[in-house]
Amino acid sequence: GQQVMQIPQYQHVQEGEDFTTYCNSSTTLSNIQWYKQRPGGHPVFLIQLVKSGEVKKQKRLTFQFGEAKKNSSLHITATQTTDVGTYFCAVLSNDYKLSFGAGTTVTVRA
Amino acid sequence: EPEVTQTPSHQVTQMGQEVILRCVPISNHLYFYWYRQILGQKVEFLVSFYNNEISEKSEIFDDQFSVERPDGSNFTLKIRSTKLEDSAMYFCARVQDTEAFFGQGTRLTVV
Repeated sequence: GQQVMQIPQYQHVQEGEDFTTYCNSSTTLSNIQWYKQRPGGHPVFLIQLVKSGEVKKQKRLTFQFGEAKKNSSLHITATQTTDVGTYFCAVLSNDYKLSFGAGTTVTVRA
Repeated sequence: EPEVTQTPSHQVTQMGQEVILRCVPISNHLYFYWYRQILGQKVEFLVSFYNNEISEKSEIFDDQFSVERPDGSNFTLKIRSTKLEDSAMYFCARVQDTEAFFGQGTRLTVV
């Protein structure tokens, strides 16, 4: 499957602040998906991006797909304690297999 | 939300023993997947199963692993002789309209 690299591995955020996590590939991606995994939980689908330069928003979450379709970002504004967890980017192949990045684990200081 | 139910939620087994992890989809889908997540690491693809046959498997999925759909509904992952490094969360998943739905997972602990 296609390889994606995620940075940072860990993100410690003060409640109320913003942060961004990045997903990068050396090759052009057909799509990028984002999942959230709460501590002790299972991955939960957040969004899929397929178009060059695409931007989608879900409340305080903004997802972006790069113009070259080689990178993606997830930006969270006004972080809350409910945002705690690990955020994974992943690529869905033609046979519906997911290749995950290593994830960004987010902790929030109240 | 389409559900995928996994049993057991937690399995402790001795090294060398066989374990069977089960996945029960809510509907009769053809495509299923098993993923593994070692504690603190990323989710890794193990195997895809389509129409009662293995469609693709990763290098992790060696001869110790097998998948079956024994009764047309339950979907099982068997590890024949467990090793310490098999300790992980095992997730079953299905895909609908490009969105993957994961089960709650089985935490396998090999001692």
